[in-house]
Amino acid sequence: IAGITQAPTSQILAAGRRMTLRCTQDMRHNAMYWYRQDLGLGLRLIHYSNTAGTTGKGEVPDGYSVSRANTDDFPLTLASAVPSQTSVYFCASSVGTGELFFGEGSRLTVL
Amino acid sequence: LAKTTQPISMDSYEGQEVNITCSHNNIATNDYITWYQQFPSQGPRFIIQGYKTKVTNEVASLFIPADRKSSTLSLPRVSLSDTAVYYCLVGVFSGSARQLTFGSGTQLTVLP
Repeated sequence: IAGITQAPTSQILAAGRRMTLRCTQDMRHNAMYWYRQDLGLGLRLIHYSNTAGTTGKGEVPDGYSVSRANTDDFPLTLASAVPSQTSVYFCASSVGTGELFFGEGSRLTVL
Repeated sequence: LAKTTQPISMDSYEGQEVNITCSHNNIATNDYITWYQQFPSQGPRFIIQGYKTKVTNEVASLFIPADRKSSTLSLPRVSLSDTAVYYCLVGVFSGSARQLTFGSGTQLTVLP
């Protein structure tokens, strides 16, 4: 089934460790996004990429980095995790029509 | 960036029509308005999108006044399974790079 695959689905991480959340889409969408959603709150944009080779900062980019080497993959890296980065992370893609397709989320706990 | 404001929560009963309004006073000329539905532990799901006037699909209608400073999502005859958080999103979806920022969402609870 076509869509967005995120990995891992859940992870517990010690503070200070490096972590990469993976996101792969097979819909050939140009635009991809990373959001975080804290318990009971809305989604906040971390980083986005409108096409392979380009990235941009969202509302809450500090402590996160992304890369977009090709159309399908958009990994999110936490260089040195902190407890405030405990959240559910959603990856999304869009062909440009306004319909965002979301993955199932990666639940990250930083202790 | 176009900032959106929605009611935090709404309650309704099965079979009723529900209208959720989103305010976006600084919407830009090229911005579209899109609504999403999110169930617990799932990613948001696209419901409907519009630019102006009225748009209708099989699940909802979207009403946008002429000044486009607000929009109303209308869900006809809601059921218990429509209990979810609803987000409006304002942004440009084609051309040059642009952020897509969600508002805080409206928790709709449908009661039996």
